[in-house]
Amino acid sequence: GAGVSQSPRYKVAKRGQDVALRCDPISGHVSLFWYQQALGQGPEFLTYFQNEAQLDKSGLPSDRFFAERPEGSVSTLKIQRTQQEDSAVYLCASSLVGGQSYEQYFGPGTRLTVT
Amino acid sequence: GQNIDQPTEMTATEGAIVQINCTYQTSGFNGLFWYQQHAGEAPTFLSYNVLDGLEEKGRFSSFLSRSKGYSYLLLKELQMKDSASYLCAVRDHNTDKLIFGTGTRLQVFP
Repeated sequence: GAGVSQSPRYKVAKRGQDVALRCDPISGHVSLFWYQQALGQGPEFLTYFQNEAQLDKSGLPSDRFFAERPEGSVSTLKIQRTQQEDSAVYLCASSLVGGQSYEQYFGPGTRLTVT
Repeated sequence: GQNIDQPTEMTATEGAIVQINCTYQTSGFNGLFWYQQHAGEAPTFLSYNVLDGLEEKGRFSSFLSRSKGYSYLLLKELQMKDSASYLCAVRDHNTDKLIFGTGTRLQVFP
């Protein structure tokens, strides 16, 4: 079956613009995660959904970042008034059920460049 | 606090064996994962350890010692395609999020 897909793959935004990043998880995966990966670093956790419920948003760096998953499948990460420090790759991952040995499957990421 | 340490870079020769170490200090622990990430691509799952000991899967093995907060990934019979970053990640006990190290960039030379 299809893996996790993300769109767009690349996004260039001028400072101050709003952006929306989309994630399509693997069908049937209950858990969905967003991570931010700066160049040369490991991914850093942003937020976590179980179905449509956002259970952990402790990693969102500011109130400019907002994520939703209204029907428990597709998720959108929105960044308002983008800043240069927001430039990074945004990775989405999904897994079957939380709290088990199931690995997280990652999408290819969206590379955001803020100019 | 959360702290995961792994070497930044390693080099090895094709056909050799390499061991990538990872030490962690986390407030909660619910398993340790290793992922492989080629440049510009998504991380892909390699291994999972939750109990102490060695897990072997083909050319790749992973070891865990919970009392020491230590894991390693062992890659045997290295191939050029193994050149990639290797990410060590601990799953948080409460929230299932993965806490990653900075990754070890491995370069395999002929």
